[in-house]
Amino acid sequence: GAVVSQHPSWVICKSGTSVKIECRSLDFQATTMFWYRQFPKQSLMLMATSNEGSKATYEQGVEKDKFLINHASLTLSTLTVTSAHPEDSSFYICSATTGDVNQPQHFGDGTRLSIL
Amino acid sequence: DAKTTQPPSMDCAEGRAANLPCNHSTISGNEYVYWYRQIHSQGPQYIIHGLKNNETNEMASLIITEDRKSSTLILPHATLRDTAVYYCIVRSGTYKYIFGTGTRLKVLA
Repeated sequence: GAVVSQHPSWVICKSGTSVKIECRSLDFQATTMFWYRQFPKQSLMLMATSNEGSKATYEQGVEKDKFLINHASLTLSTLTVTSAHPEDSSFYICSATTGDVNQPQHFGDGTRLSIL
Repeated sequence: DAKTTQPPSMDCAEGRAANLPCNHSTISGNEYVYWYRQIHSQGPQYIIHGLKNNETNEMASLIITEDRKSSTLILPHATLRDTAVYYCIVRSGTYKYIFGTGTRLKVLA
């Protein structure tokens, strides 16, 4: 149980394009989803918290206009990297939780984004 | 800032128990301790969590000190597939995880 699917797993695109990453909870309803970013040999950095039906809460230093987050249903959140540039290349990971504050988050397998 | 401290790396012989420590001296009374691991180029995998009592599941055991200021994750019989970065997390705020640098465990044949 508690499976989180992330798609695509790998994407390469040209500078200036926008890229959408999907995060789905397959067997549970996720009232809260999280988006993280990870650079090589570094730890995960929380970008934003996404609650179903409301605006995402971004961490300090994360540009909300650059990283658009939508959590339209209890099983789907999307992250759109707008006008992507090479410095946006990274490993993006989502996680989801049922809303029980003491239950663990469950993570997707990540999306490796490369901007040329 | 992360609320946990872990050694940056550890080695363990295959078949032996791997004991990974974590310090969380500022933990509050109702905060759980969570353990995850991340194998290269994958998302973190949930291992175990606990509040006060020791916990065991099919993957590992979690030993939490009585004062709750530290804990130890035990992999009873480490295999090469257990080579990963292990993260100990105390939830920050209502839901958020703040990841520390973790412990890079290398299981040696």
